[in-house]
Amino acid sequence: AQSVTQLDSQVPVFEEAPVELRCNYSSSVSVYLFWYVQYPNQGLQLLLKYLSGSTLVKGINGFEAEFNKSQTSFHLRKPSVHISDTAEYFCAVSELNTGFQKLVFGTGTRLLVSP
Amino acid sequence: DGGITQSPKYLFRKEGQNVTLSCEQNLNHDAMYWYRQDPGQGLRLIYYSQIVNDFQKGDIAEGYSVSREKKESFPLTVTSAQKNPTAFYLCASSPRDSSAKNIQYFGAGTRLSVL
Repeated sequence: AQSVTQLDSQVPVFEEAPVELRCNYSSSVSVYLFWYVQYPNQGLQLLLKYLSGSTLVKGINGFEAEFNKSQTSFHLRKPSVHISDTAEYFCAVSELNTGFQKLVFGTGTRLLVSP
Repeated sequence: DGGITQSPKYLFRKEGQNVTLSCEQNLNHDAMYWYRQDPGQGLRLIYYSQIVNDFQKGDIAEGYSVSREKKESFPLTVTSAQKNPTAFYLCASSPRDSSAKNIQYFGAGTRLSVL
């Protein structure tokens, strides 16, 4: 069974600084990978996804992530954050198979951007 | 606008009471899901349905029940058997037969509290 680890429960950063949110996964088969963002008291919004092809994936709001198969990682990055990026970020993985595509989530990383 | 509508936004349950959370989607998606979110635990799958009149238990189905009588609707009942129902509940949907079938779209959530 697949699993997702987000080691950082909280990441504080100053506005306009770069940020990296780490995500590692475990799976015995090939996977799809996702990053979702959740603003307070709201649902999850898809930031970006890796299904196939280029390992560098660009998403909304200036975020990007790189799939590294050898290190089983899918870290999220942004070169310059804004106050409005303050939110909780979830990494998720789905195994490639012919049956139900179960999505397994990490425990989330809270990004706190201060002026 | 196409999307997923969850209602109510806030819900209170008395001891021994069953409560039902509504989830409606107009995205024409076949698959629908219910997740429970607790602080620091990420999202955990309660039930899912891949097609009308069919649904399966997820990882934490005990104390919950669902129905899928229409493609657009997937209500979740939190029964009195669920001893710790206080949580944020998220409904999601995904298309079943396309390259986007692994992408789940989320509603805004229902926050359930016990009186």
